[in-house]
Amino acid sequence: QKEVEQNSGPLSVPEGAIASLNCTYSDRGSQSFFWYRQYSGKSPELIMFIYSNGDKEDGRFTAQLNKASQYVSLLIRDSQPSDSATYLCAVDSWGKLQFGAGTQVVVTP
Amino acid sequence: SQTIHQWPATLVQPVGSPLSLECTVEGTSNPNLYWYRQAAGRGLQLLFYSVGIGQISSEVPQNLSASRPQDRQFILSSKKLLLSDSGFYLCAWMGRVYGYTFGSGTRLTVV
Repeated sequence: QKEVEQNSGPLSVPEGAIASLNCTYSDRGSQSFFWYRQYSGKSPELIMFIYSNGDKEDGRFTAQLNKASQYVSLLIRDSQPSDSATYLCAVDSWGKLQFGAGTQVVVTP
Repeated sequence: SQTIHQWPATLVQPVGSPLSLECTVEGTSNPNLYWYRQAAGRGLQLLFYSVGIGQISSEVPQNLSASRPQDRQFILSSKKLLLSDSGFYLCAWMGRVYGYTFGSGTRLTVV
C-alpha cells in the first residue's frame, strides 16, 4: 500500500516563529513532491514543489527532501496568522498525486 | 492563462437522487484531469483520472462514475447517492510544469 503520512496536529506556532512540518512516503519510485496549503472550506493551493534532494527556498518557505529516508519537510519562517491552515503533503506516483491527511497549523499572536 | 471552473459550489441532495458535477478547463488542450474527494477532516482521495476524451480510470470502486465527453470537460456522476457520498469534491488538472491546480470545489451533503 503506497502511503503518504503526516502528523495531523494541530501544530501551534507563536507568531514570528518557525513552523516545521514533516511528511514520509512509502513509494521509493516517487520523484516529485509538493506542499499544498488549504484554508478551511477552500480548495488546496500549491505553495512549494521539490524534485531533488536538499533544500529549496521560496520566500518564507523552505522545502527539504531526503529520498534515501523517504522524507520531505516544509519550514515556514516568520509565521504569520495568515499561515494558519492545513498543509497537505503530496507525492507524485506515476502521474497521480497521493496526498497525506494534512497537518493543521495554528499561528498564535 | 489556464483556469479551471467547477460547479456548483454547494449541493444538498437526498439519498437515492442522481448527481452530476461538472468541471471545465480553459487555456490548455488535452489536459490530464482528476476528481478527488475529501471527507470531513480527511485527506484527498483520488476517485477518477482521465488522460483524454473518453478515457477514464477509476481508482476506487464505488457509487460514482466519471465521463469526459470533450477535451476540457470532466463530469462526475451518480445514479443514486448514498449518505457516504457526502464530501468536498475537487476537480484538478495537471499542468506541464508541476503539480495540480484545483478547482474551487463542490461541497456535497447527502441527506
